[in-house]
Amino acid sequence: DQQVKQNSPSLSVQEGRISILNCDYTNSMFDYFLWYKKYPAEGPTFLISISSIKDKNEDGRFTVFLNKSAKHLSLHIVPSQPGDSAVYFCAAGGETSGSRLTFGEGTQLTVNP
Amino acid sequence: EPEVTQTPSHQVTQMGQEVILRCVPISNHLYFYWYRQILGQKVEFLVSFYNNEISEKSEIFDDQFSVERPDGSNFTLKIRSTKLEDSAMYFCASSYRAISYGYTFGSGTRLTVV
Repeated sequence: DQQVKQNSPSLSVQEGRISILNCDYTNSMFDYFLWYKKYPAEGPTFLISISSIKDKNEDGRFTVFLNKSAKHLSLHIVPSQPGDSAVYFCAAGGETSGSRLTFGEGTQLTVNP
Repeated sequence: EPEVTQTPSHQVTQMGQEVILRCVPISNHLYFYWYRQILGQKVEFLVSFYNNEISEKSEIFDDQFSVERPDGSNFTLKIRSTKLEDSAMYFCASSYRAISYGYTFGSGTRLTVV
């Protein structure tokens, strides 16, 4: 299942700088996109979402951008903090896929002090 | 903050045995889900449950799997005859709305089939 893909398994940034996590999708029927953060030995924690009718959604330090024509979304974290170090999953869903979410592989973000 | 609670955190079972993974969703949530993550692979949808019945299931969720909400608070996943390839982290999740404005996931049960 390659419908949602995160091509970067890892990303390392300095504290205070911007972290940009990327995600691509192939299914044009997806209606909404979500980002989850996961620490070891914990379940995924919802961060932020965006509907397909928008191109940007912002919540504090987190902003998600959606480019529908490119079937690409990104999560920006500004400024990055060491506590942001975690695995970030992109997920997508739509009315045609019921209530299921399709996840990407995840990107391990490391924020160095 | 409300939590989804899963027990046990780790279960080891012999191949062919039945296992029941337990979850207590958030009390006012109406939609319940099971996902799993095999080591090194993606988080995969198994099943969703609403109004005391399965609303959707994936290709993975075959006759070996079943779900139940026996008492209005617990939500269980049963695997009747476990196989080695069932070894994975199993996550329960719940949400108030069907559209995914962010499920709340539990911490997971690591199932090891030996």
